[in-house]
Amino acid sequence: SVLTQPPSVSGAPGQRVTISCTGSSSNIGAGYDVHWYQQLPGTVPKLLIYGNNNRPSGVPERFSGSKSGTSASLAITGLQAEDEADFYCQAYDNSLRGVVFGTGTTVTVL
Amino acid sequence: QLQLQESGPGLVRPSETLSLTCTVSGGSINTYNHYWGWIRQPPGKGLEWLGNIYYSGSTYYNPSLKSRLTISVESSKNQFSLNLTSVTATDTAVYYCARSSVRGMWFDPWGQGTLVTVSS
Repeated sequence: SVLTQPPSVSGAPGQRVTISCTGSSSNIGAGYDVHWYQQLPGTVPKLLIYGNNNRPSGVPERFSGSKSGTSASLAITGLQAEDEADFYCQAYDNSLRGVVFGTGTTVTVL
Repeated sequence: QLQLQESGPGLVRPSETLSLTCTVSGGSINTYNHYWGWIRQPPGKGLEWLGNIYYSGSTYYNPSLKSRLTISVESSKNQFSLNLTSVTATDTAVYYCARSSVRGMWFDPWGQGTLVTVSS
């Protein structure tokens, strides 16, 4: 994958955690939007953030996204047990001329 | 409410062709603002984009699969389909269909996914 994420992050309930998504000049650095998905265990991926920092209807405000340079980040504030899931970033890559997903990050609530 | 549903065989033999169909309900596939895409996820692994198709038939494929992959659309049935030839065990995965925004190419909503196992 051309978008690199940490394999895992963890935090106690109520804490703030961040997940990085590192790309390159052909995707995030080229100005393409970054999107984030949450995949709860055994379920279908769900759109969490689109267009770098926009939340679809129904997504709690504790989820937020940002982008800078060739990287993006997803922040979860006020971590809750129900947030335990895999998270994936996604962008367009003009070198591959297609969509790319991040490697995925598992969030564990301690 | 837009819904997508994948259908097709759950078992495909090595070297044969994997064929899946996605049926769209609750809305038309003939929309200017969206692509229709396929994504897969091998067991215990991450997401891999396979390709997108526009209602007009224009296609965009993952370069790593382009030689084996064909995505087509049948607007009259509100369906789009995937054909992946010469499959091997590494093609075993849950296959998802999803709607993709033209503006930013995010995927929402997704189908429930269908597990396809490649085995003799």
